Amino acid sequence: QKEVEQNSGPLSVPEGAIASLNCTYSDRVSQSFFWYRQYSGKSPELIMSIYSNGDKEDGRFTAQLNKASQYVSLLIRDSQPSDSATYLCAVKKTSGTYKYIFGTGTRLKVLA
Amino acid sequence: SQTIHQWPATLVQPVGSPLSLECTVEGTSNPNLYWYRQAAGRGLQLLFYSVGIGQISSEVPQNLSASRPQDRQFILSSKKLLLSDSGFYLCAWNSRLAGMGNEQFFGPGTRLTVL
Repeated sequence: QKEVEQNSGPLSVPEGAIASLNCTYSDRVSQSFFWYRQYSGKSPELIMSIYSNGDKEDGRFTAQLNKASQYVSLLIRDSQPSDSATYLCAVKKTSGTYKYIFGTGTRLKVLA
Repeated sequence: SQTIHQWPATLVQPVGSPLSLECTVEGTSNPNLYWYRQAAGRGLQLLFYSVGIGQISSEVPQNLSASRPQDRQFILSSKKLLLSDSGFYLCAWNSRLAGMGNEQFFGPGTRLTVL
């Protein structure tokens, strides 16, 4: 079992729709969770971090964390063609390690 | 604000040649520094991380090495490149300051092709 799992996609959504990206993790002591966007040929760009159960909103992006079920999700409202990218989920145990564990990413395609 | 630089941006090297990639961070002090490699179509592989000058932790036993000669400088090296060393090399940092969160930020990357 991978430590952080994401569906590789591609996930195709029409322009203006809500894109829902999911990530599950195996280690219950994970405390910090991150979503990155990576355009083809570019480095990952941090979109959001979330540390507590529930929702966290930032503009068109909402991160959702459920520690009991060990999943974290990212919702993108009003999806735009410019949102087409690979989205990486990352987790970190707050104590005892400096390492971040990344999923392999979900490729999102927003169709105009 | 903090910025992270990497160079060169692209590199084409023959098999067996040496390698030196450099990463520097501005606008912060005493950061944690990381080297990752991303092979084509694959996830991020952590190679090394450093919590301070001269302190290097290796995650992958290969022909690569890392050094941190200054607080905000991180160098990735190899004496002899292999074909399998091709990939996108990313430097990243996060703050060690209390209350700064755990967000990790990436540099622009170096695309290495070994021929």
